[in-house]
Amino acid sequence: DSGVTQTPKHLITATGQRVTLRCSPRSGDLSVYWYQQSLDQGLQFLIQYYNGEERAKGNILERFSAQQFPDLHSELNLSSLELGDSALYFCASSKLRPLDRGGDGYTFGSGTRLTVV
Amino acid sequence: GNSVTQMEGPVTLSEEAFLTINCTYTATGYPSLFWYVQYPGEGLQLLLKATKADDKGSNKGFEATYRKETTSFHLEKGSVQVSDSAVYFCALSDPSEDSSYKLIFGSGTRLLVRP
Repeated sequence: DSGVTQTPKHLITATGQRVTLRCSPRSGDLSVYWYQQSLDQGLQFLIQYYNGEERAKGNILERFSAQQFPDLHSELNLSSLELGDSALYFCASSKLRPLDRGGDGYTFGSGTRLTVV
Repeated sequence: GNSVTQMEGPVTLSEEAFLTINCTYTATGYPSLFWYVQYPGEGLQLLLKATKADDKGSNKGFEATYRKETTSFHLEKGSVQVSDSAVYFCALSDPSEDSSYKLIFGSGTRLLVRP
């Protein structure tokens, strides 16, 4: 167990639907990062939150949104789903400065596999 | 913007062969560099990292040296085992670009080691 919990592990849904993916960061980590891993796009950074606020945005579609709650868990909302949204969605967490000595780096969850049919 | 390029896979080797997976990067600042490994059906695990030029990261027999002059961070292992079969990702983090510590990943290289 890495300390980062992602639920659900698997999700199958139909095109046009909306789903919510959940991530609980490792204890003490304030930053949460979302990544999408698909066969043709590799691992793409979607969005980062730090202590409830959006910190950086990557290749995230307008149909996707995220937020981080006061208890620091984060949710990624995917709407109007298309077949191409089928992917593995990873969450990672870190402290503010993960590269500092003793900063502990990043911890990844085991991912949510989304299948859109 | 920042980016990571790594060699296409799959790489197929026999057990005890020497492994090299090439990785080069483009960064506006002075990034930290990482290798992550993903075993089948699992998430990403940090394999090794280096935070400054000429640093050598090492773990489980794998090593990589941060080469600023060639903007490279090639992964090597002297003798691979079947259990090393996995997908390997090179990544960087460069907060000078947008104050974010996000990781930028390469496309991944699948390694298959045959007995």
